[in-house]
Amino acid sequence: EPEVTQTPSHQVTQMGQEVILRCVPISNHLYFYWYRQILGQKVEFLVSFYNNEISEKSEIFDDQFSVERPDGSNFTLKIRSTKLEDSAMYFCASTSLQTTDTQYFGPGTRLTVL
Amino acid sequence: RKEVEQDPGPFNVPEGATVAFNCTYSNSASQSFFWYRQDCRKEPKLLMSVYSSGNEDGRFTAQLNRASQYISLLIRDSKLSDSATYLCVVNMRDNDMRFGAGTRLTVKP
Repeated sequence: EPEVTQTPSHQVTQMGQEVILRCVPISNHLYFYWYRQILGQKVEFLVSFYNNEISEKSEIFDDQFSVERPDGSNFTLKIRSTKLEDSAMYFCASTSLQTTDTQYFGPGTRLTVL
Repeated sequence: RKEVEQDPGPFNVPEGATVAFNCTYSNSASQSFFWYRQDCRKEPKLLMSVYSSGNEDGRFTAQLNRASQYISLLIRDSKLSDSATYLCVVNMRDNDMRFGAGTRLTVKP
């Protein structure tokens, strides 16, 4: 069964450093999403992406965040200058054009900011 | 009112019990509704979509009441493997999905 993959599984970084989290969505999917989940808290929507542009973003997704689809397979989330409070699990998800409601999640990247 | 609100639990039930989870949402224009399950430190996985007419998938039954902005999930004959956190998810608009904080279920032998 096709699946969303994410790398790395765990990223440790120093405060103020830039990080790039990578996702490979399911190959025929066209909608892509990033979510975060701070430990012990709910899953929070960050951004959705379609046709090479952001379609929706939440209040969390400020100027420190950016997303990109640099090639035909990868979908990345960049945090420019990490803060302690960015420590969380970051999930990527994708959906197909036919079933845009059915989101398939990747296993997540645990980001730890020291 | 929170966008999506759930009873956090935990619900501790014996095997074979029937358990029901409730969820309310604030945005009356919300388009679609789902239940996901999340195991500890894992990604959310879609359990089922929720339709106005109510829908059933084996031991799981989901219901939606748009007038009351209320969603429910019923699990019958619960198994040990049902132990997880159950997330109520509401599509606010154009795939802006909002998650509830989740209801934790533990099924005990």
